[in-house]
Amino acid sequence: EVQLLESGGGLVQPGGSLRLSCVASGFTFSSYAMSWVRQAPGKGLEWVSAISGSSGRTDYADFVKGRFTISRDNSKNTLYLQMNSLRVEDTAVYFCAKERDSSSPHFDYWGQGTLVTVSS
Amino acid sequence: SYEVTQPPSVSVSPGQTARITCSGDALSKQYAHWYQQKPGQAPVMVIYKDTERPSGIPERFSGSSSGTTVTLTISGVQAEDEADYYCQSVDMSGTYARVFGGGTKLTVL
Repeated sequence: EVQLLESGGGLVQPGGSLRLSCVASGFTFSSYAMSWVRQAPGKGLEWVSAISGSSGRTDYADFVKGRFTISRDNSKNTLYLQMNSLRVEDTAVYFCAKERDSSSPHFDYWGQGTLVTVSS
Repeated sequence: SYEVTQPPSVSVSPGQTARITCSGDALSKQYAHWYQQKPGQAPVMVIYKDTERPSGIPERFSGSSSGTTVTLTISGVQAEDEADYYCQSVDMSGTYARVFGGGTKLTVL
């Protein structure tokens, strides 16, 4: 059974930093690209970043370029999102999601999410 | 920028057919995928590559594509189908950004 478990969310002040983690199990982690997707309170889904299975390729939404860094440790089956220079508008539930099909990436499994609140 | 557009809301009575559309110029060249999200829960994929249904998803969920519009159809809608539905595609022209539509709230009357 595929499981994705996020952690690391919390309350942080504007301009601060936070690192999210997502531990994966039930599949060969290194064989799949992974993404972070967020959802602001009462709003829709918004893709944040993706990383290939080998970490050879990373992609970012324009609104996080230069502030967020996605990475993974395949030996630990863990995905990360380092978030710096956080803004109030980054407040959201952050989901990690397993991708499949690199020719048309989509998300076949999702974690339950971790809440990030950016507020003074 | 790459965008896909959904209606904000769709309402149907139980047993009727719900159709939720997703439009975007690139959808004539790129697949769309659909997710269901109930309050407080993570999204669940219900259709991928326009028409494919994952195992475990009821047969009443189906997808179709015509030109720049893809459609999620739920036949014989049940109360448990009330949820937000999101389409998703990818900008493969360079940025590889994964893009979601704004979501459609399906209300079962």
